Amino acid sequence: NAGVTQTPKFQVLKTGQSMTLQCAQDMNHEYMSWYRQDPGMGLRLIHYSVGAGITDQGEVPNGYNVSRSTTEDFPLRLLSAAPSQTSVYFCASKTGLGTYEQYFGPGTRLTVT
Amino acid sequence: QKEVEQDPGPLSVPEGAIVSLNCTYSNSAFQYFMWYRQYSRKGPELLMYTYSSGNKEDGRFTAQVDKSSKYISLFIRDSQPSDSATYLCAMVDSNYQLIWGAGTKLIIKP
Repeated sequence: NAGVTQTPKFQVLKTGQSMTLQCAQDMNHEYMSWYRQDPGMGLRLIHYSVGAGITDQGEVPNGYNVSRSTTEDFPLRLLSAAPSQTSVYFCASKTGLGTYEQYFGPGTRLTVT
Repeated sequence: QKEVEQDPGPLSVPEGAIVSLNCTYSNSAFQYFMWYRQYSRKGPELLMYTYSSGNKEDGRFTAQVDKSSKYISLFIRDSQPSDSATYLCAMVDSNYQLIWGAGTKLIIKP
């Protein structure tokens, strides 16, 4: 099992550009989520999904879109990048909403200039 | 005020020392408490979780929860350089979402 995979590992964008961060898991987990991690802020939930076709907003959803067309994939789209979106982005998955152990991907380091 | 407070450190101790990492929280509805370990440039991984007040041991690691004080701790005995990492506490809210501390960076000096 590859677990949770994320691409790309690094990305530099200019203000106003759009891009998609890819996330995939091969553990047949129903629940997937996206976090951003900033110094001193801990992990903040952006969006999450409890199953294919179902998504919901987390704590900091503005400027991001998600979709969940399959159980395996959960891409995160930045609509119009801003310097405030410079961060490390982690995708995570777990068996279901009511379970607690989350498995994290290796992260994507995004810089917006 | 954040729901979960955690000193960011860094905390630097010599190899072999006992390490104490702590978090405080404000929401008495939190039921499950977890500690994740995050090595540099990696994703967090679950280290321990506990539900009730009291202690839970796993090898050199002990998780302690005091719900009356809204205080949780992680103790590491016989600390090793390989324990150098950032330790994040996390708690489950009433919507089953994790609420995270900011993480404490731990450095074990050989």
